[in-house]
Amino acid sequence: TQLLEQSPQFLSIQEGENLTVYCNSSSVFSSLQWYRQEPGEGPVLLVTVVTGGEVKKLKRLTFQFGDARKDSSLHITAAQPGDTGLYLCAGIKAAGNKLTFGGGTRVLVKP
Amino acid sequence: DTGVSQNPRHKITKRGQNVTFRCDPISEHNRLYWYRQTLGQGPEFLTYFQNEAQLEKSRLLSDRFSAERPKGSFSTLEIQRTEQGDSAMYLCASSFHNSPLHFGNGTRLTVT
Repeated sequence: TQLLEQSPQFLSIQEGENLTVYCNSSSVFSSLQWYRQEPGEGPVLLVTVVTGGEVKKLKRLTFQFGDARKDSSLHITAAQPGDTGLYLCAGIKAAGNKLTFGGGTRVLVKP
Repeated sequence: DTGVSQNPRHKITKRGQNVTFRCDPISEHNRLYWYRQTLGQGPEFLTYFQNEAQLEKSRLLSDRFSAERPKGSFSTLEIQRTEQGDSAMYLCASSFHNSPLHFGNGTRLTVT
């Protein structure tokens, strides 16, 4: 069982639509990261959120860290085919730099 | 910055054989991590090194798995007597202390 649960597992939308991916846990994390992974490649870091309630924006991507630092969301506005990929959230506990990943959300944006 | 390099990219082996993977981290990074990722899942932590010291091992790392980082630079991950359940993508990552991890493109292992 994953310590971090991501939902949905798979999302297929048309270009121009919005989408939200959720990452939930019963544990508190000192920080949480979002990655995107393309087939045959390693995950690439998109953002790190540290403070409860924090909101970060990266162009059309908006990341939010829950007040209690147990959950996070990723919202993509006006999705484009280039946003297609596996989105992974990963939490870091207070000690060390070890990442605990969620199961991932596979996003497909159709032109 | 040449990034994290992993070799080979793909490995097909028969059940029962031993395999070894290599990871070359970013040169100034003192921490090195190994993760395993099966199809449709997120990566799972296996082990990590700070310099040459192996500081933590997951319970996923059975007796058949061993990892080394002899000089605090490159690392190897060996799997002995491979089983079909070992088929996965093996990812290596490195960082400088608590800076964000940089991942390699992985070694995909298929055990037939």
